[in-house]
Amino acid sequence: SAVISQKPSRDICQRGTSLTIQCQVDSQVTMMFWYRQQPGQSLTLIATANQGSEATYESGFVIDKFPISRPNLTFSTLTVSNMSPEDSSIYLCSVETGDRSRYEQYFGPGTRLTVT
Amino acid sequence: AQSVTQPDIHITVSEGASLELRCNYSYGATPYLFWYVQSPGQGLQLLLKYFSGDTLVQGIKGFEAEFKRSQSSFNLRKPSVHWSDAAEYFCAVGAGGNKLVFGAGTILRVKS
Repeated sequence: SAVISQKPSRDICQRGTSLTIQCQVDSQVTMMFWYRQQPGQSLTLIATANQGSEATYESGFVIDKFPISRPNLTFSTLTVSNMSPEDSSIYLCSVETGDRSRYEQYFGPGTRLTVT
Repeated sequence: AQSVTQPDIHITVSEGASLELRCNYSYGATPYLFWYVQSPGQGLQLLLKYFSGDTLVQGIKGFEAEFKRSQSSFNLRKPSVHWSDAAEYFCAVGAGGNKLVFGAGTILRVKS
């Protein structure tokens, strides 16, 4: 399995500002994903981060609000833009290494975001 | 559309007792099924997975799960629960396009 780190681990931000979350993997991976976990809720997929091209967003999520970069096979960023208290969540990145089996994803420790 | 149902929001078991967490899925083809565990303040850890073959799969930490196609279920079991098993457990199904769809989660409390 891959070792995944996220920065920051937590942050408290003011509404109207933006926060960029970093996800670093210790090996090259084929697929990277970003999830949101709202308080007391399950995980919802925000987007698939595609290396060298625009991310693929799920219904209800848009690039202007959640721009994503993936400059190489080991790194991705998610920005939460123009934040409101409703954006308070845990944001997790995950990876699928592709060397085991389809859909098998490994998760980072998450970034706990509080918007005041 | 693919979906996962975990009927129990909370379950409390005594330490040393057996555990079964329920998971039902909706998927047209042979599913890829997973169980993850999330300890407080932590990310998700993969416990076990089912792709094909033997319907009883073994995972880490003494967990196992059984795939029952006729019941569209993939229940997680452990014969003897330890206090350190207290966490939230998520069932997930592969939903096409390498995506995972997660259930709502079951919070396990272990009483001594």
